[in-house]
Amino acid sequence: AQSVAQPEDQVNVAEGNPLTVKCTYSVSGNPYLFWYVQYPNRGLQFLLKYITGDNLVKGSYGFEAEFNKSQTSFHLKKPSALVSDSALYFCAVRGLNSGGYQKVTFGTGTKLQVIP
Amino acid sequence: EAGVAQSPRYKIIEKRQSVAFWCNPISGHATLYWYQQILGQGPKLLIQFQNNGVVDDSQLPKDRFSAERLKGVDSTLKIQPAKLEDSAVYLCASSIGEVSGANVLTFGAGSRLTVL
Repeated sequence: AQSVAQPEDQVNVAEGNPLTVKCTYSVSGNPYLFWYVQYPNRGLQFLLKYITGDNLVKGSYGFEAEFNKSQTSFHLKKPSALVSDSALYFCAVRGLNSGGYQKVTFGTGTKLQVIP
Repeated sequence: EAGVAQSPRYKIIEKRQSVAFWCNPISGHATLYWYQQILGQGPKLLIQFQNNGVVDDSQLPKDRFSAERLKGVDSTLKIQPAKLEDSAVYLCASSIGEVSGANVLTFGAGSRLTVL
């Protein structure tokens, strides 16, 4: 069965500092990985995805993520945090269900708090 | 393009009552998902449709939850009778539905259910 682990419930970072939100995964076959962000009272919004190719993936709002196959990790990063980045971040992995259809499993989420 | 529409946004009911949530996905999206997000947890897949057929309902509590997508467009999720532990946000999402791809999910704003 596929799974995602986000080991930190909350990450605090000062505005202007680099940020990292951690994610590890488990899935059969090639990993397809995603990051989504959730603002209060809103649905999840897509940030970026890794399918194949370059291990560093760039996404929306200046975010990027680094894929590491040997460590089965897909950490979210940003060089300089903004207060407006404060939100709930979810890592997700795409596998296949028994019928061969895409199945997306989410982690438990990490709350990012950027301190002015 | 218009986003994923969900209604109602908020619902408060007594335990043992019934409730229904409606979702209208992005036009042309073949795959529709219902996720349950309990406070402090990540979204959990309840049911997934490909057009008007169910491709995954392995985590749907079928004794009380039901869902349909009769014409392959909008969908309804019903809970009857509701339990206290059903208090959650019910998220609807849709994707293009390419079976072999890593499809990005587009989420609605969610329907928040409180069971008293």
